Amino acid sequence: NAGVTQTPKFQVLKTGQSMTLQCAQDMNHEYMSWYRQDPGMGLRLIHYSVGAGITDQGEVPNGYNVSRSTTEDFPLRLLSAAPSQTSVYFCASSRQSVRGELFFGEGSRLTVL
Amino acid sequence: GENVEQHPSTLSVQEGDSAVIKCTYSDSASNYFPWYKQELGKGSQLIIDIRSNVGEKKDQRIAVTLNKTAKHFSLHITETQPEDSAVYFCAASNPNTGNQFYFGTGTSLTVIP
Repeated sequence: NAGVTQTPKFQVLKTGQSMTLQCAQDMNHEYMSWYRQDPGMGLRLIHYSVGAGITDQGEVPNGYNVSRSTTEDFPLRLLSAAPSQTSVYFCASSRQSVRGELFFGEGSRLTVL
Repeated sequence: GENVEQHPSTLSVQEGDSAVIKCTYSDSASNYFPWYKQELGKGSQLIIDIRSNVGEKKDQRIAVTLNKTAKHFSLHITETQPEDSAVYFCAASNPNTGNQFYFGTGTSLTVIP
């Protein structure tokens, strides 16, 4: 059972570089989301999607882009990385949006120098 | 939007003792309250949830209570074991009005053998 798969697990970037965090789920979930986790701040929602072709902003969307071309994939793009984007990123999916269980990936630790 | 506060931020208990983590929320319309457990280096997993039409729910050693009037809910873990050591997050949502979970800032629980 793959569940939610995130890649890469670790990444170091220089300020201004771009990169994409990949997220894929094999549970046919319509709802997918990206969170960042910072010390003392819990999980904060970056972007989410309620289905293919539909995305929306969460609490902290600035500096990030997303797309949802298929049900399975929900990549998160950093166009010009900044040190403030150093964080641990989690992708999560749900069958019932915010009515039911979120299934999380194992996280991607990003450091921006 | 919703604001979820969680206390304490750290908690140490002796094995076999009980642990209680408390959360408050601001939006009286929130009606779904899950608790997630995050073990080191892993994504979070749902351990128990409660909906606003009930006041308490139990699952073996874990229970959650909800006081809608006071807008707070609590996680109770009895007979704690070392494997209960983890970071615990509470969350709140209102599926009728939005597609976001609002998470607390987390509680790092250490169970001392």
